[in-house]
Formats: sequence, C-alpha cells, structure tokens
Amino acid sequence: AQSVTQPDIHITVSEGASLELRCNYSYGATPYLFWYVQSPGQGLQLLLKYFSGDTLVQGIKGFEAEFKRSQSSFNLRKPSVHWSDAAEYFCAGMEYGNKLVFGAGTILRVKS
Amino acid sequence: SQTIHQWPATLVQPVGSPLSLECTVEGTSNPNLYWYRQAAGRGLQLLFYSVGIGQISSEVPQNLSASRPQDRQFILSSKKLLLSDSGFYLCAWSRGANYGYTFGSGTRLTVV
Repeated sequence: AQSVTQPDIHITVSEGASLELRCNYSYGATPYLFWYVQSPGQGLQLLLKYFSGDTLVQGIKGFEAEFKRSQSSFNLRKPSVHWSDAAEYFCAGMEYGNKLVFGAGTILRVKS
Repeated sequence: SQTIHQWPATLVQPVGSPLSLECTVEGTSNPNLYWYRQAAGRGLQLLFYSVGIGQISSEVPQNLSASRPQDRQFILSSKKLLLSDSGFYLCAWSRGANYGYTFGSGTRLTVV
C-alpha cells in the first residue's frame, strides 16, 4: 500500500540553526511528492513539490527538499530557521488516482 | 486566480444533530475536490473525493456523506453527529496530479 512516513512527531531547533525534517515513502513507482506547512488553526500551504528531473527542489520561504530514490526519502531542509517557521509540516505523496496520502506530520518548535 | 472557500470556520454541535459543511472553488472549472479530516495527533485522512458533478468516492466507512451538486461545490454532511466526528475538516481542490492540491482554511468541528 502507498504510504508516507514522518518518523519525527516533534522537533525543536534554535533560531538560526539548520533544519531537516524527515520523510520516507513506500510506493511501487516514483510518486509525486509534496511538502505542506500548517500554522495552528489554518489550512495547508504548499511549500514545494517533486515530480521528476532534478532531485533537489526549491520551495517557498527558503525551504528545499531532496528526493533520494535509494533511500526512499524526501527530506525537507532549511539552512537557517526563523521563529516564524514554527508550525506543523506534512509530507505527502501521490501515485494513482490523484489521491494525496499524507504523513502524520512533524511539529516544529523554534527556540529563541 | 483560483480561490477556495470553506465555511463555517468553527462549529460546535450537539451529539445527534445534523451537519453540513460547504466548500466552493472559484476561478476554475471541473476541479477534483476532496474532503480531509484532521484529528488531533493523527495527520490528515482522506474522507471523500469527487472528479465531477454527482460523482463521489468514499475512502473510509463512516458516519459522514458528501455531495457535489454543482461543478465547484462540495458538501460534507451527516444526519446524526457522533462525538468521534470532532476534528478539523479541510476541503481541497486539484486540477490534476501535476498540480498538487490547494486547501481551504478548514472548519473546526466540536461535537459535544
């Protein structure tokens, strides 16, 4: 079955430190992969997406993600975290039928 | 440009009461439409999706139903709410797999 796993429920980083949020997928073929961010009580905003081609994709707000087929991973990174990045982050994948499958989410806390 | 509207933003309903949540999309035609539920600490679960008027697919057995009476309108309903129906409900639309999903701002439903 198609699945997306985010192994970290919570992550805390200091402001200005680098960030990496992990995401692993389980699909038969290379899926379409996405990262979304959700601020408390809000909808989801698309940060970036990967379909094919260059395995390093750039997104909004200074985020990037790297697709690694050998590791079945699509980790989200940011070189320097800002306090406004505190939110919940969701990795998602889509293979068949236009249905997006989400990971459980990772809550990011930023220490000042 | 395309926009998605979801209302109400918050709702408190007694057990056994009916439910109707509405979602509309503007600026596009024949979108794929989706209802997700986000329960506390459980990520996002796809409830229903629709690829056209009157076409509804249910992903999980539950107390809820969905309808699409018009091309850009998607309604989530229940005849009798249960406590377990509490959660954050998100509507989303998509033009197809290459485009990802765009989410509404969500409805926080509390069943008391």
